[in-house]
Amino acid sequence: EADIYQTPRYLVIGTGKKITLECSQTMGHDKMYWYQQDPGMELHLIHYSYGVNSTEKGDLSSESTVSRIRTEHFPLTLESARPSHTSQYLCASSAPRDGSTDTQYFGPGTRLTVL
Amino acid sequence: AQSVTQPDIHITVSEGASLELRCNYSYGATPYLFWYVQSPGQGLQLLLKYFSGDTLVQGIKGFEAEFKRSQSSFNLRKPSVHWSDAAEYFCAVGAPGSARQLTFGSGTQLTV
Repeated sequence: EADIYQTPRYLVIGTGKKITLECSQTMGHDKMYWYQQDPGMELHLIHYSYGVNSTEKGDLSSESTVSRIRTEHFPLTLESARPSHTSQYLCASSAPRDGSTDTQYFGPGTRLTVL
Repeated sequence: AQSVTQPDIHITVSEGASLELRCNYSYGATPYLFWYVQSPGQGLQLLLKYFSGDTLVQGIKGFEAEFKRSQSSFNLRKPSVHWSDAAEYFCAVGAPGSARQLTFGSGTQLTV
């Protein structure tokens, strides 16, 4: 099992604020992911990374941006939050360096509310 | 591209009863298949996974799933449900050799 952490767990902010959602993993996984999940709905991939300095957009268009400067850290940033960004954001990682299969392990999520 | 269908949005079972959650996938070859469970306000926990080999897969918490290629299904089962099993269950499919993404079903809410 991967140890993957997300902070904050809950965030309530006003429109127009810049926010950064933190995600860290301690298992040396090369691949990391951000998903967006609305209540009672499926997960949609918004960003992923194969490794340091590698980031790609997922299937769901998002106004957020990500960076991958360190293997263990994959923060997500919203420059100007809007009510439409209200959702749960889940971070995941996969692919240990020993080459075992690509199972994604998830953090606890950040529930974001933009007023 | 792969896709996943979970036909049951909500299932209610009595404690001690058996459970089967349905999952159908669409993919051109043998996919990687996963079941995750999500408790309210939490992230997803991996229950079990199938990559190859024995089509009956054992997972945590007494769950098992069976891969049936002919039916393109990967149904999750548990012989006796506990109240603590109440949660949302997600089936997911991934393409072998590519962890670019998993495609998730819309989930099944289990009430016990």
